[in-house]
Amino acid sequence: DGGITQSPKYLFRKEGQNVTLSCEQNLNHDAMYWYRQDPGQGLRLIYYSQIVNDFQKGDIAEGYSVSREKKESFPLTVTSAQKNPTAFYLCASSAGTGNSYNSPLHFGNGTRLTVT
Amino acid sequence: AQSVTQLDSQVPVFEEAPVELRCNYSSSVSVYLFWYVQYPNQGLQLLLKYLSGSTLVESINGFEAEFNKSQTSFHLRKPSVHISDTAEYFCAVRDFGNEKLTFGTGTRLTIIP
Repeated sequence: DGGITQSPKYLFRKEGQNVTLSCEQNLNHDAMYWYRQDPGQGLRLIYYSQIVNDFQKGDIAEGYSVSREKKESFPLTVTSAQKNPTAFYLCASSAGTGNSYNSPLHFGNGTRLTVT
Repeated sequence: AQSVTQLDSQVPVFEEAPVELRCNYSSSVSVYLFWYVQYPNQGLQLLLKYLSGSTLVESINGFEAEFNKSQTSFHLRKPSVHISDTAEYFCAVRDFGNEKLTFGTGTRLTIIP
């Protein structure tokens, strides 16, 4: 079955450590996204990528970094510079780029990161 | 810039009663509108979408939403809810020509037996 795989489902880290969240898709989608979800705040866009080897900052990119070396993969690194890293992180992909952008997003099941 | 407002953070409803989850958006251009549903500890799933054409769109599990351009709204409705509808619902908007999708803050729907 096609879909998006995020791993691990739960992740625990000590403050000051960098951590990388995995996101893999086999939908052959061009665009991939990382969102952060906090209670009562909805989803906020961290980074997105429309094509391999290219990505753009979203609304809350500070303290995060990404890479897009392969079409299928879009890992997110939460660095020690991120002040409040504990959150639920969601990866998504969509088929369409171009002028219309009417393709819906497909989401993974998320990674819950806890930093203490 | 596009934005979405979901006025109700929580909506409790008795089983088999009707429900309406409100969504208003702000944009200066044509938009695409989406409703997503999230069950506990899972990602979001597309519930329904408005791209163009008929302003009333339906999902396979009985939800419907109506695009109202004059009121800039895209409210979600269901005539009779079930326990399995308990979830968080997110409205989202994307401006025509904009690659970014903006989400509302979500409405948690709780079904009371």
